[in-house]
Amino acid sequence: EPEVTQTPSHQVTQMGQEVILRCVPISNHLYFYWYRQILGQKVEFLVSFYNNEISEKSEIFDDQFSVERPDGSNFTLKIRSTKLEDSAMYFCASTHVGVQETQYFGPGTRLLVL
Amino acid sequence: AQKVTQAQTEISVVEKEDVTLDCVYETRDTTYYLFWYKQPPSGELVFLIRRNSFDEQNEISGRYSWNFQKSTSSFNFTITASQVVDSAVYFCALSRDNAGNMLTFGGGTRLMVKP
Repeated sequence: EPEVTQTPSHQVTQMGQEVILRCVPISNHLYFYWYRQILGQKVEFLVSFYNNEISEKSEIFDDQFSVERPDGSNFTLKIRSTKLEDSAMYFCASTHVGVQETQYFGPGTRLLVL
Repeated sequence: AQKVTQAQTEISVVEKEDVTLDCVYETRDTTYYLFWYKQPPSGELVFLIRRNSFDEQNEISGRYSWNFQKSTSSFNFTITASQVVDSAVYFCALSRDNAGNMLTFGGGTRLMVKP
């Protein structure tokens, strides 16, 4: 069964460093998403992406964040200058059409900013 | 604005007991979608069910059942004859019926099933 994959599974970085989290959505899916989950808290929406542009973003998704689909398979989240409070699990998700479809999540990348 | 409330932060049951996880939502939309996801200790988010707002039929899938009541804005989840493998955090979520359809999650309910 096709699934969303994410790399790396864990990343440790120093405050102020740039990180890129990578996702490979399910191959025939068209909408892509990033969510984050601070330890012990609920899952929060960051951004949705369709047709090579952002379709919706939350207040959390400020200028420090960017997303890109650099090729036909990868979908990346970049944090330009990490802060301690960026430490969280980051989930990628994708859907076939987007509007009425179920979002399938990847296994997550646990980011720790020191 | 949309909001999902899962008032039970933690529930502990003994194996074979039935357990119901509550979910109450708020939205101004007339059409919307409701979801349940399971997050086992390994951390991934596993899709369980999607329900649209104009289908209030209850659904059963094996030991799992869902009770959607629009009149009370609730979408409760019942596990019958719970098993240790059901131990996880369960999230209820809501999405709008529009492009991008971001999910708004509740705070989650941690279910512990003891042998």
